[in-house]
Amino acid sequence: DAGVTQSPTHLIKTRGQHVTLRCSPISGHKSVSWYQQVLGQGPQFIFQYYEKEERGRGNFPDRFSARQFPNYSSELNVNALLLGDSALYLCASSLAGDTGELFFGEGSRLTVL
Amino acid sequence: AQSVTQLGSHVSVSEGALVLLRCNYSSSVPPYLFWYVQYPNQGLQLLLKYTSAATLVKGINGFEAEFKKSETSFHLTKPSAHMSDAAEYFCAVSEVLAGGGNKLTFGTGTQLKVEL
Repeated sequence: DAGVTQSPTHLIKTRGQHVTLRCSPISGHKSVSWYQQVLGQGPQFIFQYYEKEERGRGNFPDRFSARQFPNYSSELNVNALLLGDSALYLCASSLAGDTGELFFGEGSRLTVL
Repeated sequence: AQSVTQLGSHVSVSEGALVLLRCNYSSSVPPYLFWYVQYPNQGLQLLLKYTSAATLVKGINGFEAEFKKSETSFHLTKPSAHMSDAAEYFCAVSEVLAGGGNKLTFGTGTQLKVEL
């Protein structure tokens, strides 16, 4: 079975630009979460979605937004990119998002110049 | 808010030696605790989880962890290190979100180096 797939795997943007990251969960999983991992740190929670509804948002500015589609895939959007947004963005899926057991994709590495 | 503290950002062991990676948690309710491993340029893989059943939890690749409420600890161990265990290890605690569902709060990670 396919795991969590993310695209693109790597991308380079300049300050002020916008980026869209995509995620397809494991088949049958209805919850998707997004995490940001800055180099040398643990992942930080950004969003969780379940059945297209936002269940929670971490301490990130409004420049960060996300949505979940009827097929349970998800997009993370970041506007007005800053140098500090450079990070590995991890998507994770789970059956219902209520136990904490997450299955992670390999991430999208964003570099902002 | 729940949190975890991982003592030691870098741990080095010889191949065949005991691996001990430390994690202490802070939680106002019985926690769900997890250990994840991250290999270079990859996502996170679940090693094991504690969900209030047995206090000694066995995971993949020979790893295990013991939940000790009195010490608020959830240390990860492996009796004999292998070169392939070299990776970064993250301890995490699950926290319920106001809107239902939950999030993981991760520690800062421990880089494990295995030497010949």
